[in-house]
Amino acid sequence: QKEVEQNSGPLSVPEGAIASLNCTYSDRGSQSFFWYRQYSGKSPELIMSIYSNGDKEDGRFTAQLNKASQYVSLLIRDSQPSDSATYLCAVNPDSSASKIIFGSGTRLSIRP
Amino acid sequence: NAGVTQTPKFRILKIGQSMTLQCTQDMNHNYMYWYRQDPGMGLKLIYYSVGAGITDKGEVPNGYNVSRSTTEDFPLRLELAAPSQTSVYFCASSYSEDTEAFFGQGTRLTVV
Repeated sequence: QKEVEQNSGPLSVPEGAIASLNCTYSDRGSQSFFWYRQYSGKSPELIMSIYSNGDKEDGRFTAQLNKASQYVSLLIRDSQPSDSATYLCAVNPDSSASKIIFGSGTRLSIRP
Repeated sequence: NAGVTQTPKFRILKIGQSMTLQCTQDMNHNYMYWYRQDPGMGLKLIYYSVGAGITDKGEVPNGYNVSRSTTEDFPLRLELAAPSQTSVYFCASSYSEDTEAFFGQGTRLTVV
């Protein structure tokens, strides 16, 4: 089983709608969770980090963490064409591990 | 602010050649990482370091070597290049494994 799994997509969402991206992880000891956005040909950039169960909101973005079910999700409200990108879920897989593992990414396309 | 700087941006290698990808950061981060990203895929961790003189293997270390003699620099060495090493390589740094990773602009390597 991969440490961090995402649906590769592409996920197509109409402009103005809510985009929902999901990620599951295998290590129950994971403590830190991140969502990165990557435009084609560019470097990843951080959107959200979340460390505790529940929701964390930042503008149009909401990250949701459920450690019991080992999943983390990202909701994008009022989706804009500029949100079209690949979204990478990343996890620090163990509190004793000093590394960050990425999923394969979900490609999101916002259609006008 | 420079952040994380990688050189070169592009490189073509012949099979069996060797090269070093350079990475330097000016944020005084202890944690540094090397990832590779194959087309349409996520990031795979090659090596990481939690401080000068300390390095450890990631998910895909075979065919690569690293060193960390200073806080700022984390070069990645490819010995005996193979076509399977054709990829985009990203260097990243962070304050800790729980905080945002900042990425360089990437090095696009082709082995022919």
